[in-house]
Amino acid sequence: SQKIEQNSEALNIQEGKTATLTCNYTNYSPAYLQWYRQDPGRGPVFLLLIRENEKEKRKERLKVTFDTTLKQSLFHITASQPADSATYLCALEGPTGNQFYFGTGTSLTVIP
Amino acid sequence: GAVVSQHPSRVICKSGTSVKIECRSLDFQATTMFWYRQFPKQSLMLMATSNEGSKATYEQGVEKDKFLINHASLTLSTLTVTSAHPEDSSFYICSARDADSPLHFGNGTRLTVT
Repeated sequence: SQKIEQNSEALNIQEGKTATLTCNYTNYSPAYLQWYRQDPGRGPVFLLLIRENEKEKRKERLKVTFDTTLKQSLFHITASQPADSATYLCALEGPTGNQFYFGTGTSLTVIP
Repeated sequence: GAVVSQHPSRVICKSGTSVKIECRSLDFQATTMFWYRQFPKQSLMLMATSNEGSKATYEQGVEKDKFLINHASLTLSTLTVTSAHPEDSSFYICSARDADSPLHFGNGTRLTVT
């Protein structure tokens, strides 16, 4: 079965720096990978989707890369702000295409 | 757009009773809905996937007779926790998608079984 691991459980960075979060998977390579943000007590919110044939995707201060050889996705937040503090989750489609599995999550804290 | 409403947000029930959680897509048709369970400081664990009008597909280890899922229409799915026990206490979150869209999540239901 697919195992999805995110680099660290918690990440603290200074405001203004770039946060880099890692998502590694072990089994099959999905057709696309997604990143979500979750605030305490709330449901996740979709941020970005990157397809297997895309190396990089950007949206404002967010950048995602996808390396199917390494079975890894990197999620970057540039010029980080305290409001970026949240848990970030990567998600992959299941083998049948009708399930979505989430990574272990990384709790990001941006220190003013 | 793409709002998913989940009710109730919190529920406390006694052991042995059943609890129903509703998940509605308000402004789109949800061809597929997903139910997740989340323990404190842990990630989302997929419980089951349901398509409108058909039986839900449960993940390994999830008891289908305990967690009844009904996806009766393109805008409504329900999860019923039957004969709840304290170990069923958790945060339950639904999500919905239309065709190949990303997942849109409800704000979850905090279930406490006493």
